[in-house]
This record gives sequence, structure tokens and C-alpha cells, in this order.
Amino acid sequence: EAQVTQNPRYLITVTGKKLTVTCSQNMNHEYMSWYRQDPGLGLRQIYYSMNVEVTDKGDVPEGYKVSRKEKRNFPLILESPSPNQTSLYFCASRTDLATYEQYFGPGTRLTVT
Amino acid sequence: AQSVAQPEDQVNVAEGNPLTVKCTYSVSGNPYLFWYVQYPNRGLQFLLKYITGDNLVKGSYGFEAEFNKSQTSFHLKKPSALVSDSALYFCAVRSGNTGKLIFGQGTTLQVKP
Repeated sequence: EAQVTQNPRYLITVTGKKLTVTCSQNMNHEYMSWYRQDPGLGLRQIYYSMNVEVTDKGDVPEGYKVSRKEKRNFPLILESPSPNQTSLYFCASRTDLATYEQYFGPGTRLTVT
Repeated sequence: AQSVAQPEDQVNVAEGNPLTVKCTYSVSGNPYLFWYVQYPNRGLQFLLKYITGDNLVKGSYGFEAEFNKSQTSFHLKKPSALVSDSALYFCAVRSGNTGKLIFGQGTTLQVKP
């Protein structure tokens, strides 16, 4: 089944404790991205990647890092999480930049205390 | 700057009645517009898109959307609502050369039996 998976689905952590949210897709997509969803703000793009070893900042990249060493994986790293990073995070992928339809993962709900 | 607005936080409709979820946009150049739906505890699912051509676009689950260039709107519609249509709906516009999607803040659709 074609899908985007994320782990963990739920995470409660403390300020400053490094964490990684994994994202993997099995559709051989070139383009992957991370969004955060906050009430009243919709989804905002954090980082995106057009292909392996090619990443770039989205609208709200502060406090986040990403890497794209393999085509299928696009982990989101929070080196020193803070409470304002409490949010619902979605990974998304699509075939390439020219494709319009995106596939979203199930989401990771992160709480930073 | 490109933007999308969904003026209603919530829309309530009785089952069997027609529904409309509103979206207006502001873009430079030709707009590429999308609707996504999010069911509880799930990622976003693609419903439909407008790229060019006919102003009435048909999508999944019986939904359609009407592109109106003069009113810069892209309202989502369905002739007869189902209780199972209850969900969070997002309008989005594709921005620039990075393929980023800019989302509206979302509209909760509540369909009552």
C-alpha cells in the first residue's frame, strides 16, 4: 500500500531534550516536506526537500533541522525543543516538483513541557 | 504575498442538504488551488484541484469546487451532505517555484442527521 508513515504518533517531552520524528514514504517520491498544524493557522511548511541531499527552508524553519540521505526518509530533528514547538506535525510527499497531489502522513502530536 | 482565507471556522449542515465551504485567495499570476480533507486522527487527503480549464472541478467523494476568477474564490460544494462528510477542510494554493502549499486556517464541517 502506498503510504507516508511517521513515528512516533504521539510524543511528550521536556524542554531541551533532543528528539527526532521519522518520516518514510514507499512511493519513490522525490519531493518531501514537513508542516506543522496549529489551531487558527492552518498548516505551515517547515522544510522541504526536492531530492536526496537537497533541502531548503520553508516558512517556519527556526528550531528545526532536516536531512535527506535516502530518497524514502526525511526525518525532522528538534535539537533543543521548546514549548512553542508543541504542535501537530505532518510529513508529506509527492512525485516531484511538477506534481500537484501530495500524500500526507498520519501526523505526530508533539507536546513540549 | 500569496494567501488563502477560509472565512468560516465552522459550517453546520443537515444531512441531505447542499453544503458550501468558502475559500478566497490572493496570488500573483495564475492560481493553482486545492482542497484537502482531514478526518479525526488522520493526515490530510487530497480532494480536488484547479489548475486550468473548466471552472467547475469535480473531485473525490462527490465534492466539487467552483473557481471564480473575478471574485478570487474557490468554494467547495456538495449537492447532498452526508454525516460521514463531517471533518476539517483546508483550502490551499501552490506558491512560487518551490511547490510549497499555502493553507487556509481550516473549516470544520459538521453534518447533523
